[in-house]
Amino acid sequence: DTAVSQTPKYLVTQMGNDKSIKCEQNLGHDTMYWYKQDSKKFLKIMFSYNNKELIINETVPNRFSPKSPDKAHLNLHINSLELGDSAVYFCASSQVGYNSPLHFGNGTRLTVT
Amino acid sequence: SQQGEEDPQALSIQEGENATMNCSYKTSINNLQWYRQNSGRGLVHLILIRSNEREKHSGRLRVTLDTSKKSSSLLITASRAADTASYFCATDEETSGSRLTFGEGTQLTVNP
Repeated sequence: DTAVSQTPKYLVTQMGNDKSIKCEQNLGHDTMYWYKQDSKKFLKIMFSYNNKELIINETVPNRFSPKSPDKAHLNLHINSLELGDSAVYFCASSQVGYNSPLHFGNGTRLTVT
Repeated sequence: SQQGEEDPQALSIQEGENATMNCSYKTSINNLQWYRQNSGRGLVHLILIRSNEREKHSGRLRVTLDTSKKSSSLLITASRAADTASYFCATDEETSGSRLTFGEGTQLTVNP
């Protein structure tokens, strides 16, 4: 009955590989997000989708490509992984509107070696 | 540039004491939110305060907002060891289109 679930929890891979992280929410929210948390715990938004449409696309390398097959799912594909991509990636969802809190998944710790 | 900045970066107290964390921001906001993150977990929403509110309570939590100073504080009263976590403020800027910008967080350690 997890509200926002993302898989895998841990991902260890070598430079140059391509990997995907999946996210699903069962809260009925229209908006989903990807955040990146670095080693200093700084959390930065990467993308936001509202009902399958991209609405926020921060300055993120185009090696990162989000995909939303439906409003309950938002996946993140990363091509040609680099050492600097190592971080914890969080999926989140919210209802539409300014005063809507975010519901986060438990994160995917990506380690690029 | 970073919107929310928190102070202190780390705070260590004894169980039963109160913990106060501060957050400052730079632009006009719709609301300010506080989140908690336990080690190895996702962030959990604690409380939201709207820009036209000055104070809000939820259980042992008390949040204040001073829009003239562009600052907020989170007070946790009668702290418990289970309150040990990182606490983040997040601002919903008026011009951001529902984009939350997070501060760097305060690491709170409550010693039993």
